[in-house]
Amino acid sequence: EAQVTQNPRYLITVTGKKLTVTCSQNMNHEYMSWYRQDPGLGLRQIYYSMNVEVTDKGDVPEGYKVSRKEKRNFPLILESPSPNQTSLYFCASSPTGFGIETQYFGPGTRLLVL
Amino acid sequence: AQTVTQSQPEMSVQEAETVTLSCTYDTSESDYYLFWYKQPPSRQMILVIRQEAYKQQNATENRFSVNFQKAAKSFSLKISDSQLGDAAMYFCASYYNYGQNFVFGPGTRLSVLP
Repeated sequence: EAQVTQNPRYLITVTGKKLTVTCSQNMNHEYMSWYRQDPGLGLRQIYYSMNVEVTDKGDVPEGYKVSRKEKRNFPLILESPSPNQTSLYFCASSPTGFGIETQYFGPGTRLLVL
Repeated sequence: AQTVTQSQPEMSVQEAETVTLSCTYDTSESDYYLFWYKQPPSRQMILVIRQEAYKQQNATENRFSVNFQKAAKSFSLKISDSQLGDAAMYFCASYYNYGQNFVFGPGTRLSVLP
């Protein structure tokens, strides 16, 4: 089954404790992206990647890091989480990143930073 | 920079009736795409409909259709014969190929009344 998976689905952590949210897709997609969803703001793009070793900032990259060492994986790293990073996070992928394509979303990761 | 505005935070519709959700966007690009996504309580992001900006014909998908007014930068979603399963948060989004980033609106929560 074609899918985007994220782990963990729920995470409670404390300020400053480094964490990684994993994202994996099994569709051989080149384009992958991370979003955060906050009430009243919709989804905002954090980082995206056009292919292996190619990443770029979205609209809200501060406090986040990503890497793309393999085509299927695109982890999101919070090196020193803060309470304002409490949010619902989505990973997504599409074949090449062109707008005409369907973007497949993961199930979301709900993060609470205390 | 692109922006997407949804001026209706909440809407409701009677089952079997028709409802229109509003979306306006702002972009200086000529090659872009517009989308409506549905997010039910499961939080999964589901693509409802998409529109290529260079196509004048309004996109339709079964009971869902759009009214794309390019000059006015308006992209409304019409849901006909509303069903209980249509109750969800609806997000309007834009994308342009140069830049490869999606911009989402803040969302409209749609309730369907039996």
